[in-house]
Amino acid sequence: DSGVTQTPKHLITATGQRVTLRCSPRSGDLSVYWYQQSLDQGLQFLIHYYNGEERAKGNILERFSAQQFPDLHSELNLSSLELGDSALYFCASSVVPTGTPLTSRTEAFFGQGTRLTVV
Amino acid sequence: KNQVEQSPQSLIILEGKNCTLQCNYTVSPFSNLRWYKQDTGRGPVSLTIMTFSENTKSNGRYTATLDADTKQSSLHITASQLSDSASYICVVSAMNSGGYQKVTFGTGTKLQVIP
Repeated sequence: DSGVTQTPKHLITATGQRVTLRCSPRSGDLSVYWYQQSLDQGLQFLIHYYNGEERAKGNILERFSAQQFPDLHSELNLSSLELGDSALYFCASSVVPTGTPLTSRTEAFFGQGTRLTVV
Repeated sequence: KNQVEQSPQSLIILEGKNCTLQCNYTVSPFSNLRWYKQDTGRGPVSLTIMTFSENTKSNGRYTATLDADTKQSSLHITASQLSDSASYICVVSAMNSGGYQKVTFGTGTKLQVIP
């Protein structure tokens, strides 16, 4: 158990709908990362939040958005869903010291993922 | 453009045999390289992490090597077990000017260990 909790584990929804995926980071971790993994594909970085603020964006569609709340949990909102959005969505958390460069040994711990199926 | 390429894409080996997975990267400026094991439908789990000055890192039957000059890494699995069947992902981090790591994932090598 990595200590990162994602809910729900599975989600089936229709095209055009909107869903929210939730991630609770490890206790003490301020950084949350979201990744998308389509079938037999590599992990694609979507977005990174640190202590409530967006820090970096990857290949995230405009239909997708995320936020990190004061209690550090994060939500990924996916709207106007398309069939191609079906994928595993992973959240990872890590410790990022405030105001200091990220140490080279800082490790990201992944949750078990949410499997989204758009039908 | 930061890229991480892994080979082979897939591999089938007999239980008990050794194997080596390759990772070539063009990420710059290099910060660290990690190997993750991802079981099907599960989140990746870290196996090793290496910085610029480290050439070899072991974790049980897993040994990772890093050649920062040629920008290559390998993951050697010794005496493979059925439970080693998984995808192995090479992840390379670059340090950007803000002090935050930009992470680039390889697409992974899918390993299947058969009896």
